[in-house]
Amino acid sequence: ETGVTQSPTHLIKTRGQQVTLRCSSQSGHNTVSWYQQALGQGPQFIFQYYREEENGRGNFPPRFSGRQVPTYSAELNVNALELDDSALYLCASSESVSGGEETQYFGPGTRLLVL
Amino acid sequence: AQKVTQAQTEISVVEKEDVTLDCVYETRDTTYYLFWYKQPPSGELVFLIRRNSFDEQNEISGRYSWNFQKSTSSFNFTITASQVVDSAVYFCALTRLPGLGGAQKLVFGQGTRLTINP
Repeated sequence: ETGVTQSPTHLIKTRGQQVTLRCSSQSGHNTVSWYQQALGQGPQFIFQYYREEENGRGNFPPRFSGRQVPTYSAELNVNALELDDSALYLCASSESVSGGEETQYFGPGTRLLVL
Repeated sequence: AQKVTQAQTEISVVEKEDVTLDCVYETRDTTYYLFWYKQPPSGELVFLIRRNSFDEQNEISGRYSWNFQKSTSSFNFTITASQVVDSAVYFCALTRLPGLGGAQKLVFGQGTRLTINP
């Protein structure tokens, strides 16, 4: 058990809708990263938050947004859902020292299906 | 750009056999971290090991061992005397060291699906 939790576990949406996924990070961790994992693929980095500020972003469009709120909570928002957004969304938390970070520990993920 | 390649898409062995999962990486950084994660059917990525590029010592943890060779940019993972519970998808990943600027994103390989048959 990593202490990282995500909700909901499963979600079904239709194209064009908006969705918010939630993550509760491990106690003491100040960095949250989000990854998208399509079926049969490795996880792809979406973005990272450090002390409530976006710390870096992968190759994802602006309709993917997020926030980190005290204490140890984070959200991933996706607007205007597309069919290709169907994937497992993974949250990872880590303890960052001076802006760097150590090992990322993952939650169980949210499986999103867009119809 | 960083890249991780796991050429073995699927491996199937009989219980108690030894199995090695290959990982080859590319990076322009001189210092970096390498990781192995296990993903069981439940979906959660379970951390197995982190290796600093400074440290080329091989590591053994129970039935698991890791062979890091910087000269060939490889970080292979061996399971000795495999068990059915080892069945999962295994991912190799790479990230920059702290302090080099920017987010420390994990760059994952495509994964190797390991099936251990009784």
